[in-house]
Amino acid sequence: QTVVTQEPSLTVSPGGTVTLTCASSTGAVTSGYYPNWFQQKPGQAPRALIYSTSKKHSWTPARFSGSLLGGKAALTLSGVQPEDEAEYYCLLYYGAVWVFGGGTKLTVL
Amino acid sequence: EVQLLESGGGLVQPGGSLRLSCAASGFTFNIYAMSWVRQAPGKGLEWVSAISGSGGSTYYADSVMGRFTISRDNSNNTLYLQMNSLRDEDTAVYYCATMTSVEEIDYWGQGTLVTVSS
Repeated sequence: QTVVTQEPSLTVSPGGTVTLTCASSTGAVTSGYYPNWFQQKPGQAPRALIYSTSKKHSWTPARFSGSLLGGKAALTLSGVQPEDEAEYYCLLYYGAVWVFGGGTKLTVL
Repeated sequence: EVQLLESGGGLVQPGGSLRLSCAASGFTFNIYAMSWVRQAPGKGLEWVSAISGSGGSTYYADSVMGRFTISRDNSNNTLYLQMNSLRDEDTAVYYCATMTSVEEIDYWGQGTLVTVSS
């Protein structure tokens, strides 16, 4: 059973920078896992932010960036805004199976 | 504008069946792979199933393998999820989503709630 692990919760101050990570129980996350990142606010459907590690959708704000960091996928928010408070999920591809992480609840305080 | 509209959710008894639909518009449906993703109440996202643009390849999570069947009707721009032998733990909001490739899940519908309970 493949498990994808994220920080359960993080807190950041407005204007600050925060990095969320996404680890795989199978070992180091590489670009071949095509990490995706999604944002979900209460009562709303998820919204795609990042795909294939670091590529942004046309609607993704510039303050969001994706990377690989220390064997994990990472999502960095720079210049955090109050509206960035949300749950964030990563998704990894395991060859015909996709697995979501458990989510990180980001609080902007 | 890409639009995905799920329907077919509702209350069903354990062991029962339900078929979900996802009506797509605003893009060339038959060149996009599609996925179903679910979210149990108060829980995280779980990928359920995916299908290629032609419908010739299908993929399932272990938790639904053998019970759920994904299909599509490209002439009517509609994605389906046939759910059989439903269990309490299948209770969730079910979302359909577009997949530009294996690299990318992009557009999401608003979801339809499935409740499995006696």
